[in-house]
Amino acid sequence: GNSVTQMEGPVTLSEEAFLTINCTYTATGYPSLFWYVQYPGEGLQLLLKATKADDKGSNKGFEATYRKETTSFHLEKGSVQVSDSAVYFCALSEIQAGTALIFGKGTTLSVSS
Amino acid sequence: GAVVSQHPSRVICKSGTSVKIECRSLDFQATTMFWYRQFPKQSLMLMATSNEGSKATYEQGVEKDKFLINHASLTLSTLTVTSAHPEDSSFYICSAPDGGNGYTFGSGTRLTVV
Repeated sequence: GNSVTQMEGPVTLSEEAFLTINCTYTATGYPSLFWYVQYPGEGLQLLLKATKADDKGSNKGFEATYRKETTSFHLEKGSVQVSDSAVYFCALSEIQAGTALIFGKGTTLSVSS
Repeated sequence: GAVVSQHPSRVICKSGTSVKIECRSLDFQATTMFWYRQFPKQSLMLMATSNEGSKATYEQGVEKDKFLINHASLTLSTLTVTSAHPEDSSFYICSAPDGGNGYTFGSGTRLTVV
């Protein structure tokens, strides 16, 4: 079945450092890929998404490229801020088939000033 | 855009009682609603999928008699935790396809059973 694997956290960085959170997936079809962010005590917010191979999703300085050859969707940001501290979830779905999102375990990011 | 309103945001109930969580689609028709559960510092686990007018489909290991899902209209899906116990304490989140290539989420319900 479909699954998502993302790097274990927590990730601790200083402000303005470069961020990478790795995410790889297993899917039988052609999934859409997503990154969601959850701030403390809040619900989920869509950060970015990509619906087909080689698409790049971007938002708020974050980027991720859908790599079919490596089945990856790594999240990157060139310069993190304290306000980026949150839990980040990689997820996939075969939305055209009406299926639910499948989430990775989440990676906690902590940015200090 | 598509918005799902989830209520209540927080609820504390006594062990043995039942709690109902509602998710309403405000500006679109949600034919499908997904229900997730999130334990502290863990990921979201899909509990069940509800489709308007039909029985919900539960994931393996989820007790359908404990977690009753009703999707009687295109704008309302409910999850009732019956005879709640402390181990049912969790964060429950609903989600629906947004009609595009994504999903919209409710803001979540934090259930505490004492």
